[in-house]
Amino acid sequence: EIVLTQSPGTLSFSPGERATLSCRASQSVSSSYLAWYQQKPGQAPRLLIYGASSRATGIPDRFSGRGSGTDFTLTISRLEPEDFAVYYCQQYGSSPQTFGQGTKLEIK
Amino acid sequence: QLQLQESGPGLVKPSETPSLTCTVSGGSISSSSYYWGWIRQPPGKGLEWIGSIYYSGSTYYNPSLKSRVTISVDTSKNQFSLKLSSVTAADTAVYYCARLGWNPLYYIDVWGKGTTVTVSS
Repeated sequence: EIVLTQSPGTLSFSPGERATLSCRASQSVSSSYLAWYQQKPGQAPRLLIYGASSRATGIPDRFSGRGSGTDFTLTISRLEPEDFAVYYCQQYGSSPQTFGQGTKLEIK
Repeated sequence: QLQLQESGPGLVKPSETPSLTCTVSGGSISSSSYYWGWIRQPPGKGLEWIGSIYYSGSTYYNPSLKSRVTISVDTSKNQFSLKLSSVTAADTAVYYCARLGWNPLYYIDVWGKGTTVTVSS
């Protein structure tokens, strides 16, 4: 099973700043089958990025993903108030598909 | 617009076998393009994939839960279901149903709102 590690657990930023979140895999993620989700309290996760770098439908271009192999990042170029939430990465290249434990993005 | 809605018992006792159902609206569960799945999230914790099913009935389960999980599909009702046997407090979670892609391992682009299952005597 591929273990995804998201660190740190919490990041603090001010609106307007640039934030980069990390997701590291215990083994190489095949074909860059890595996705990112945003989850707000009491809501289901929302797909942001798939295939490591492709934005999902309707996702603003301030969200971008990159990486390959074992190291992946999600960057939010200019934080908006609605971006403060928990972010999860997911690998779907190997069974079982697994999720990271999440990074909480909080307002400084 | 595709929508998924979970339904379930809410509160169950240890050792019981609760059944959850996901009703798909705004689209057909028989689409050849998609698998359908269940994911759960214990309180304050991360996400865990439980399993996926195709409209034909082909299933894929997380090995950690495989011995206790059964996922089935009813195309006539546009629904799929999850049964989890011998539940314990560790199975307390929000259970989401979801649409995956053309592969049983895939990213999830449509989620239900989730239903809470609490295991307590």
